[in-house]
Amino acid sequence: EADIYQTPRYLVIGTGKKITLECSQTMGHDKMYWYQQDPGMELHLIHYSYGVNSTEKGDLSSESTVSRIRTEHFPLTLESARPSHTSQYLCASSSGTGSREQYFGPGTRLTVT
Amino acid sequence: KNQVEQSPQSLIILEGKNCTLQCNYTVSPFSNLRWYKQDTGRGPVSLTIMTFSENTKSNGRYTATLDADTKQSSLHITASQLSDSASYICVVSDRGSTLGRLYFGRGTQLTVWP
Repeated sequence: EADIYQTPRYLVIGTGKKITLECSQTMGHDKMYWYQQDPGMELHLIHYSYGVNSTEKGDLSSESTVSRIRTEHFPLTLESARPSHTSQYLCASSSGTGSREQYFGPGTRLTVT
Repeated sequence: KNQVEQSPQSLIILEGKNCTLQCNYTVSPFSNLRWYKQDTGRGPVSLTIMTFSENTKSNGRYTATLDADTKQSSLHITASQLSDSASYICVVSDRGSTLGRLYFGRGTQLTVWP
Protein backbone atom coordinates (compact mmCIF):
# COMPACT_ATOMS: atom_id res chain seq x y z
CA GLU A 1 0.00 0.00 0.00
CA ALA A 2 1.26 3.44 -0.95
CA ASP A 3 2.46 5.81 1.77
CA ILE A 4 0.53 8.88 0.77
CA TYR A 5 -1.72 10.65 3.21
CA GLN A 6 -4.43 13.25 2.98
CA THR A 7 -6.09 15.26 5.72
CA PRO A 8 -8.81 15.93 6.48
CA ARG A 9 -10.70 13.01 4.99
CA TYR A 10 -14.00 14.88 5.20
CA LEU A 11 -14.61 18.62 5.51
CA VAL A 12 -17.86 20.57 5.66
CA ILE A 13 -17.34 24.30 5.62
CA GLY A 14 -19.28 27.49 5.00
CA THR A 15 -19.01 29.74 1.98
CA GLY A 16 -16.18 32.26 2.08
CA LYS A 17 -13.90 30.30 4.40
CA LYS A 18 -10.26 29.68 3.60
CA ILE A 19 -9.27 26.02 3.58
CA THR A 20 -6.09 24.02 3.09
CA LEU A 21 -6.12 20.37 2.09
CA GLU A 22 -3.00 18.54 3.19
CA CYS A 23 -1.12 15.89 1.22
CA SER A 24 2.06 14.15 2.29
CA GLN A 25 4.03 11.21 0.91
CA THR A 26 6.92 9.34 2.44
CA MET A 27 8.16 7.61 -0.72
CA GLY A 28 10.52 10.40 -1.80
CA HIS A 29 8.61 10.86 -5.05
CA ASP A 30 9.52 13.95 -7.01
CA LYS A 31 6.21 14.38 -8.88
CA MET A 32 2.95 15.15 -7.10
CA TYR A 33 -0.53 15.80 -8.41
CA TRP A 34 -3.96 17.06 -7.36
CA TYR A 35 -7.08 15.71 -9.02
CA GLN A 36 -10.72 16.69 -8.66
CA GLN A 37 -13.39 14.02 -8.98
CA ASP A 38 -17.16 14.41 -8.97
CA PRO A 39 -19.44 11.37 -8.46
CA GLY A 40 -19.58 9.15 -11.53
CA MET A 41 -17.12 11.33 -13.39
CA GLU A 42 -13.49 10.94 -14.40
CA LEU A 43 -10.58 12.40 -12.46
CA HIS A 44 -9.45 15.82 -13.67
CA LEU A 45 -5.91 17.07 -13.11
CA ILE A 46 -5.97 20.51 -11.47
CA HIS A 47 -2.34 20.95 -10.29
CA TYR A 48 0.97 19.15 -10.55
CA SER A 49 4.55 19.57 -9.45
CA TYR A 50 7.81 18.21 -10.87
CA GLY A 51 9.61 18.86 -7.59
CA VAL A 52 10.40 21.44 -4.93
CA ASN A 53 9.44 24.99 -5.96
CA SER A 54 7.76 23.67 -9.12
CA THR A 55 3.99 23.99 -9.56
CA GLU A 56 1.87 23.95 -12.69
CA LYS A 57 -1.83 24.19 -13.47
CA GLY A 58 -3.50 21.09 -14.87
CA ASP A 59 -6.17 20.54 -17.47
CA LEU A 60 -9.12 21.66 -15.38
CA SER A 61 -9.23 25.30 -14.37
CA SER A 62 -9.32 25.66 -10.61
CA GLU A 63 -9.45 28.59 -8.23
CA SER A 64 -7.24 26.68 -5.81
CA THR A 65 -3.50 27.21 -5.40
CA VAL A 66 -0.72 24.84 -4.40
CA SER A 67 2.78 25.05 -3.04
CA ARG A 68 5.74 22.66 -2.95
CA ILE A 69 8.27 23.82 -0.38
CA ARG A 70 9.26 20.30 0.67
CA THR A 71 9.47 17.15 -1.43
CA GLU A 72 7.03 15.26 0.74
CA HIS A 73 4.37 17.95 1.14
CA PHE A 74 1.95 19.36 -1.47
CA PRO A 75 -0.89 21.33 0.14
CA LEU A 76 -3.84 22.77 -1.78
CA THR A 77 -5.48 26.01 -0.67
CA LEU A 78 -8.81 27.63 -1.44
CA GLU A 79 -8.83 31.27 -0.34
CA SER A 80 -12.61 31.60 -0.38
CA ALA A 81 -14.63 28.40 -0.60
CA ARG A 82 -17.83 28.32 -2.65
CA PRO A 83 -20.49 25.63 -3.11
CA SER A 84 -19.11 24.99 -6.62
CA HIS A 85 -15.92 23.73 -4.95
CA THR A 86 -17.81 20.81 -3.43
CA SER A 87 -16.06 17.72 -4.74
CA GLN A 88 -13.58 14.96 -3.91
CA TYR A 89 -9.93 15.98 -4.08
CA LEU A 90 -7.33 13.27 -4.66
CA CYS A 91 -3.59 13.69 -4.25
CA ALA A 92 -1.11 11.42 -6.02
CA SER A 93 2.62 11.03 -6.44
CA SER A 94 5.04 9.29 -8.77
CA SER A 95 8.76 8.95 -9.36
CA GLY A 96 11.03 9.09 -12.38
CA THR A 97 10.14 10.32 -15.84
CA GLY A 98 7.39 9.44 -18.25
CA SER A 99 4.39 7.33 -17.38
CA ARG A 100 5.35 5.81 -14.07
CA GLU A 101 2.58 4.61 -11.80
CA GLN A 102 0.85 7.27 -9.76
CA TYR A 103 0.03 6.34 -6.18
CA PHE A 104 -3.12 7.92 -4.81
CA GLY A 105 -4.06 9.11 -1.37
CA PRO A 106 -7.46 8.31 0.16
CA GLY A 107 -8.93 11.67 -0.88
CA THR A 108 -10.64 14.57 0.86
CA ARG A 109 -14.39 14.92 0.47
CA LEU A 110 -15.11 18.67 0.59
CA THR A 111 -18.60 20.06 1.04
CA VAL A 112 -19.13 23.82 0.96
CA THR A 113 -22.50 24.96 2.29
CA LYS B 1 -8.64 14.48 -28.72
CA ASN B 2 -7.34 11.99 -26.18
CA GLN B 3 -10.25 10.16 -24.61
CA VAL B 4 -11.00 7.02 -22.64
CA GLU B 5 -14.48 5.53 -22.69
CA GLN B 6 -15.71 2.68 -20.52
CA SER B 7 -18.70 0.41 -20.64
CA PRO B 8 -20.96 -0.48 -19.05
CA GLN B 9 -21.42 2.50 -16.77
CA SER B 10 -22.67 0.21 -14.02
CA LEU B 11 -23.03 -3.53 -13.52
CA ILE B 12 -24.67 -5.74 -10.92
CA ILE B 13 -23.70 -9.40 -10.63
CA LEU B 14 -24.17 -12.18 -8.12
CA GLU B 15 -21.33 -13.37 -5.96
CA GLY B 16 -19.31 -16.09 -7.65
CA LYS B 17 -20.15 -14.98 -11.19
CA ASN B 18 -17.68 -13.67 -13.76
CA CYS B 19 -17.84 -10.34 -15.54
CA THR B 20 -16.00 -8.34 -18.18
CA LEU B 21 -15.55 -4.59 -18.30
CA GLN B 22 -14.65 -2.73 -21.48
CA CYS B 23 -12.41 0.23 -22.27
CA ASN B 24 -11.87 2.05 -25.58
CA TYR B 25 -9.28 4.78 -25.94
CA THR B 26 -7.97 7.28 -28.48
CA VAL B 27 -4.84 8.35 -26.57
CA SER B 28 -1.82 8.84 -28.77
CA PRO B 29 1.08 8.31 -28.63
CA PHE B 30 0.25 5.37 -26.37
CA SER B 31 2.51 4.43 -23.49
CA ASN B 32 0.59 2.07 -21.24
CA LEU B 33 -2.85 1.20 -19.95
CA ARG B 34 -3.74 0.56 -16.34
CA TRP B 35 -6.84 -0.67 -14.63
CA TYR B 36 -7.47 0.86 -11.22
CA LYS B 37 -9.91 -0.21 -8.52
CA GLN B 38 -11.47 2.57 -6.50
CA ASP B 39 -13.43 1.67 -3.41
CA THR B 40 -16.06 4.18 -2.28
CA GLY B 41 -14.43 7.10 -0.50
CA ARG B 42 -10.90 5.90 -1.29
CA GLY B 43 -8.21 6.66 -3.81
CA PRO B 44 -7.68 4.43 -6.87
CA VAL B 45 -5.33 1.45 -6.54
CA SER B 46 -3.58 -0.04 -9.55
CA LEU B 47 -4.58 -3.61 -10.53
CA THR B 48 -2.70 -4.20 -13.78
CA ILE B 49 -0.49 -2.35 -16.23
CA MET B 50 0.09 -3.21 -19.89
CA THR B 51 2.42 -1.73 -22.44
CA PHE B 52 2.06 -1.76 -26.21
CA SER B 53 3.66 -5.18 -26.62
CA GLU B 54 1.56 -6.96 -23.99
CA ASN B 55 -1.88 -8.33 -24.76
CA THR B 56 -2.78 -9.96 -21.46
CA LYS B 57 -1.88 -9.50 -17.80
CA SER B 58 -3.26 -11.25 -14.74
CA ASN B 59 -3.40 -10.28 -11.09
CA GLY B 60 -5.15 -13.00 -9.12
CA ARG B 61 -8.78 -13.11 -10.21
CA TYR B 62 -8.29 -10.06 -12.43
CA THR B 63 -7.20 -10.53 -16.06
CA ALA B 64 -6.71 -7.57 -18.37
CA THR B 65 -6.37 -7.75 -22.15
CA LEU B 66 -5.15 -5.15 -24.59
CA ASP B 67 -5.61 -4.86 -28.35
CA ALA B 68 -3.37 -1.97 -29.33
CA ASP B 69 -4.52 -2.15 -32.95
CA THR B 70 -8.17 -1.54 -32.15
CA LYS B 71 -7.32 0.48 -29.01
CA GLN B 72 -9.48 -1.65 -26.77
CA SER B 73 -8.94 -3.23 -23.40
CA SER B 74 -11.01 -5.42 -21.14
CA LEU B 75 -10.87 -6.40 -17.49
CA HIS B 76 -12.23 -9.84 -16.64
CA ILE B 77 -13.08 -10.65 -13.05
CA THR B 78 -13.41 -14.32 -12.19
CA ALA B 79 -15.45 -15.76 -9.33
CA SER B 80 -16.53 -12.37 -8.03
CA GLN B 81 -16.54 -11.60 -4.33
CA LEU B 82 -18.46 -9.02 -2.31
CA SER B 83 -15.21 -7.09 -1.87
CA ASP B 84 -15.02 -6.62 -5.64
CA SER B 85 -17.81 -4.04 -5.36
CA ALA B 86 -16.07 -0.83 -6.46
CA SER B 87 -15.50 1.46 -9.41
CA TYR B 88 -13.03 0.11 -11.99
CA ILE B 89 -11.23 2.82 -13.89
CA CYS B 90 -9.33 2.46 -17.14
CA VAL B 91 -6.36 4.84 -17.29
CA VAL B 92 -4.22 5.40 -20.38
CA SER B 93 -0.89 7.15 -20.35
CA ASP B 94 0.75 8.91 -23.25
CA ARG B 95 4.50 8.96 -23.90
CA GLY B 96 4.53 12.45 -25.30
CA SER B 97 5.50 14.24 -22.10
CA THR B 98 7.90 13.91 -19.20
CA LEU B 99 4.95 14.32 -16.86
CA GLY B 100 3.42 11.03 -17.96
CA ARG B 101 -0.03 12.51 -18.44
CA LEU B 102 -2.87 10.15 -17.50
CA TYR B 103 -6.25 10.01 -19.20
CA PHE B 104 -9.04 8.59 -17.08
CA GLY B 105 -12.27 6.87 -17.99
CA ARG B 106 -15.37 7.52 -15.90
CA GLY B 107 -15.24 4.03 -14.50
CA THR B 108 -17.61 1.08 -14.33
CA GLN B 109 -19.43 0.84 -11.01
CA LEU B 110 -19.55 -2.86 -10.13
CA THR B 111 -21.88 -4.13 -7.44
CA VAL B 112 -21.62 -7.73 -6.29
CA TRP B 113 -24.69 -9.09 -4.51
CA PRO B 114 -24.65 -12.09 -2.17
